Amino acid sequence: KQEVTQIPAALSVPEGENLVLNCSFTDSAIYNLQWFRQDPGKGLTSLLLIQSSQREQTSGRLNASLDKSSGRSTLYIAASQPGDSATYLCAPIQGGSEKLVFGKGTKLTVNP
Amino acid sequence: EPEVTQTPSHQVTQMGQEVILRCVPISNHLYFYWYRQILGQKVEFLVSFYNNEISEKSEIFDDQFSVERPDGSNFTLKIRSTKLEDSAMYFCAGGKIIYNEQFFGPGTRLTVL
Repeated sequence: KQEVTQIPAALSVPEGENLVLNCSFTDSAIYNLQWFRQDPGKGLTSLLLIQSSQREQTSGRLNASLDKSSGRSTLYIAASQPGDSATYLCAPIQGGSEKLVFGKGTKLTVNP
Repeated sequence: EPEVTQTPSHQVTQMGQEVILRCVPISNHLYFYWYRQILGQKVEFLVSFYNNEISEKSEIFDDQFSVERPDGSNFTLKIRSTKLEDSAMYFCAGGKIIYNEQFFGPGTRLTVL
């Protein structure tokens, strides 16, 4: 059974800092991995999808990497802004399944 | 940009009552999903739906749950007899391609009293 862990659980940084959020998963047989942000009481906004054959995917100030064999993905946020404050979730899609398996997330606070 | 919409945003019901949660997926999506998130916990998969059939379901999705696409636009989740532990945020999601990016709606907060 796929288990997803995100470290740290919470992170507080000053505005302008570059930061890395970590995601690990126990079963490397995945199709792809999706990163989301979730604002309090709101839905999930898709940030990036990284295919299992890819190493990296970039969107604006965000860069996601994937090391499938070691069961790890990272989300790099450059030049953080207060508007980046949210919970960030990673979710691989398990091989042979359509479902996203979520971690508990990293709650990011960017202080002005 | 098209978005997934869900209604109602908040539903309060009494234990044992039936509820129907509604979703309007993005029009060119073919694969549809329901997930839920109990307060403070992880988002959990409930069911996937394609071509008017359930393609995958979790152990949570028991006989009390059903899904339907009654017309070309709506996608519904029905809970026949709600329990206190069904209180959660329910998210509808959709995608164009299987095993690919999924786009989520804003959720329906279900409170069972």
